[in-house]
Amino acid sequence: DVVMTQSPLSLPVTLGQPASISCRSSQSLVHSDGNTYLSWFQQRPGQSPRRLIYMVSNRDSGVPDRFSGSGSGTDFTLKISRVEAEDVGVYYCLQGTNWLMYTFGQGTKLEIK
Amino acid sequence: QVQLQQSGPGLVKPSQTLSLTCAISGDSVSSNTVAWNWIRQSPSRGLEWLGRTYYRSKWYNDYAVSVKSRININPDTSKNQFSLQLNSVTPEDTAVYYCVREWVRSYDYWGQGTLVTVSS
Repeated sequence: DVVMTQSPLSLPVTLGQPASISCRSSQSLVHSDGNTYLSWFQQRPGQSPRRLIYMVSNRDSGVPDRFSGSGSGTDFTLKISRVEAEDVGVYYCLQGTNWLMYTFGQGTKLEIK
Repeated sequence: QVQLQQSGPGLVKPSQTLSLTCAISGDSVSSNTVAWNWIRQSPSRGLEWLGRTYYRSKWYNDYAVSVKSRININPDTSKNQFSLQLNSVTPEDTAVYYCVREWVRSYDYWGQGTLVTVSS
């Protein structure tokens, strides 16, 4: 199985400041079709996960442009340019390159300082 | 807009069968471009994929090794929904269960989640 490792696991951030979450995979996420299937999800307290980013850097409809994704191979990053109160929650990365079993990272809890 | 509406009991006794249903609107369970998944979440295991069903000229199922001997996921084309059955449950199966649409190797739509507690 592909193991996804996120850091940090806890991220206290001041309102208006940037935030960055790292996600590393145990093997390359470049698929044989040339695409890289790495997604990011946000889970607010008491809610279902919501996808923010797919295929490394593509924002889903309705996602604020303060969220951005980058990376390649085995190293990926989710950045929030200016954290707002509504961004509190847990963030997960997901690899979809291994067809049979996609795997999530363990989650990063973002809180306001 | 795709919507997934889950239903089913929130309490199951040990050794019995957990059964949940996911009703789909805005898409078809028989679509040949997506797959329909069940994922659960617990503090001890995080987000854990359980299995999926999908149609590509015929029906296919894939299941996680951890539950393969106990799980069934079935489509119901007449009601445009799919279901989860997990047999012989134990307290370790206590979790929030989600039905999820998969498209282009990612999960884009999620149900509202159902907390299932396994307890006598």
